Amino acid sequence: LAKTTQPISMDSYEGQEVNITCSHNNIATNDYITWYQQFPSQGPRFIIQGYKTKVTNEVASLFIPADRKSSTLSLPRVSLSDTAVYYCLVGPRGSQGNLIFGKGTKLSVKP
Amino acid sequence: NAGVTQTPKFQVLKTGQSMTLQCAQDMNHNSMYWYRQDPGMGLRLIYYSASEGTTDKGEVPNGYNVSRLNKREFSLRLESAAPSQTSVYFCASTRGQAGEETQYFGPGTRLLVL
Repeated sequence: LAKTTQPISMDSYEGQEVNITCSHNNIATNDYITWYQQFPSQGPRFIIQGYKTKVTNEVASLFIPADRKSSTLSLPRVSLSDTAVYYCLVGPRGSQGNLIFGKGTKLSVKP
Repeated sequence: NAGVTQTPKFQVLKTGQSMTLQCAQDMNHNSMYWYRQDPGMGLRLIYYSASEGTTDKGEVPNGYNVSRLNKREFSLRLESAAPSQTSVYFCASTRGQAGEETQYFGPGTRLLVL
């Protein structure tokens, strides 16, 4: 399974765009990239998933370059409620329990 | 729909005591998972059940047993609790089909072993 590397923490201010980059140098051809968000005292929540190029939903965008060795989660105009830990996971579809969450990136949004 | 529910929400045990953490989902999902999360750490997979009737070890299975009681329910048992098992336990489920691996998590069970 591809190992991922993310910054341990990031700080931002309300209204700013936040980009969290995840490195996954040994990503396999059939691996997908998935991001989860976890608020304090809650279980993680799915944000977005992608394979290549760009994926956008109502919450975030995911940018994946052509070599797929990294990916960037983009959160537009963050608010205080976006303060959370963000996890980048890499694995094949149907990997059934082989996904590794790691320590994630703790995003702190300040007023 | 309640999604994924876990009981109890909080439990205090003494070393050597046993207990079972309960998890149920009402989304007709095939696969279910148990994770533990220690302070400041990511989630580590304890056991998972890809489908009813099957269970497999995850990253940290020692000291735990699981039972996939039926499609809805997946329980985690600590036979002889140890302080090292103090953690927050999360249950999750997925549809279990290729292209539908989004994991839905329960609210967690906070376990303190003294």
